Amino acid sequence: NAGVIQTPRHKVTGKGQEATLWCEPISGHSAVFWYRQTIVQGLEFLTYFRNQAPIDDSGMPKERFSAQMPNQSHSTLKIQSTQPQDSAVYLCASSLDGADTQYFGPGTRLLVL
Amino acid sequence: GQQVQQSPASLVLQEGENAELQCNFSTSLNSMQWFYQRPGGSLVSLFYNPSGTKQSGRLTSTTVIKERRSSLHISSSQTTDSGTYLCATMTNSAGNKLTFGIGTRVLVRP
Repeated sequence: NAGVIQTPRHKVTGKGQEATLWCEPISGHSAVFWYRQTIVQGLEFLTYFRNQAPIDDSGMPKERFSAQMPNQSHSTLKIQSTQPQDSAVYLCASSLDGADTQYFGPGTRLLVL
Repeated sequence: GQQVQQSPASLVLQEGENAELQCNFSTSLNSMQWFYQRPGGSLVSLFYNPSGTKQSGRLTSTTVIKERRSSLHISSSQTTDSGTYLCATMTNSAGNKLTFGIGTRVLVRP
């Protein structure tokens, strides 16, 4: 069991560029969650998929952020026209059915210059 | 919405001492999860504990739903216990997302 895999581990972008973050959930897990961690705000929920369907995106900024889960083995978080305030660690988690223990990946540290 | 308060914010221990970390939440919940995080590290799940007491090695988690609190007890602390401990709740009203506290930063000195 490789755990939740996130790539890249680090990403540096210039202001206005696009960033795509990847997540591979634990095999057999039907739920995928995205969170964001900053020193100021702590850990914040972004969005949640179950069986590849979007269930809750209440934490996603309305502009520039989008997430997809095209198949059961990966999800992507895309940030268009990145801004310095998007700098954070983006964490992906998966769970067996969405209502139980969530297992987190190592995160992608995004720095927007 | 759900609010999660953790205390203390930080804690310094001498190796071998015990510690109790507190987590208080504002509404009834479906589940409570405790995590450990080293600086720059990922979140490691310690306990999934919606109610009652669970133990794993030197760590014990107790959740009392009626009192809207959960605690994490560290016994005989070791320097490797240093890091940040976070609690997170999952509630019906919030769907299945986790709402996190700000964490308790623990430093264990040799």
